[in-house]
Amino acid sequence: DGGITQSPKYLFRKEGQNVTLSCEQNLNHDAMYWYRQDPGQGLRLIYYSQIVNDFQKGDIAEGYSVSREKKESFPLTVTSAQKNPTAFYLCASSIVATSGSPFQETQYFGPGTRLLVL
Amino acid sequence: KQEVTQIPAALSVPEGENLVLNCSFTDSAIYNLQWFRQDPGKGLTSLLLIQSSQREQTSGRLNASLDKSSGRSTLYIAASQPGDSATYLCAVKRNDMRFGAGTRLTVKP
Repeated sequence: DGGITQSPKYLFRKEGQNVTLSCEQNLNHDAMYWYRQDPGQGLRLIYYSQIVNDFQKGDIAEGYSVSREKKESFPLTVTSAQKNPTAFYLCASSIVATSGSPFQETQYFGPGTRLLVL
Repeated sequence: KQEVTQIPAALSVPEGENLVLNCSFTDSAIYNLQWFRQDPGKGLTSLLLIQSSQREQTSGRLNASLDKSSGRSTLYIAASQPGDSATYLCAVKRNDMRFGAGTRLTVKP
């Protein structure tokens, strides 16, 4: 079955610790995205990538880092610089439209990772 | 900057009722608008995608309309069922993807 997997489902972070959230897709999509969801708010874009070894900052990139070494994988690291990391993190993927914009096409989402601070 | 608003924030209806969820956006220069469903603690499931040149899309009991000039979209759910209980999110896309905060729908048996 094609789809997007995220792990772990729950993640606990201690103060000053970096943690990495995993996102893998087997949909052969070029574009991948990371969003953060807080209660009562819409999803906010953290980072996105249209191609291997390239990625762009979204609205709230501060305190986060990403890598895109393989087409199938787009891990997100929440660094100690992110002072309020408690949230639900969603990964998504899509094809890239012929216009070159990744945002024109339907995005498919993973099941999410809930990050909690100890 | 694009702002997306969904009203109401929560809605409770009896089973079998037809209902409308609203989504408004401030910048009409969009590529498309997408409606999603989110169950508690889960990811998003795409329901309908309406291109900017389209007026509506239908899938089963769901019908989404788009009035780009007025910055509005509606999601119509016919003959609601308890299984429709979830949060419904709309998102508009151009150079990025902007989400509303969602409408939490409860359908009571």
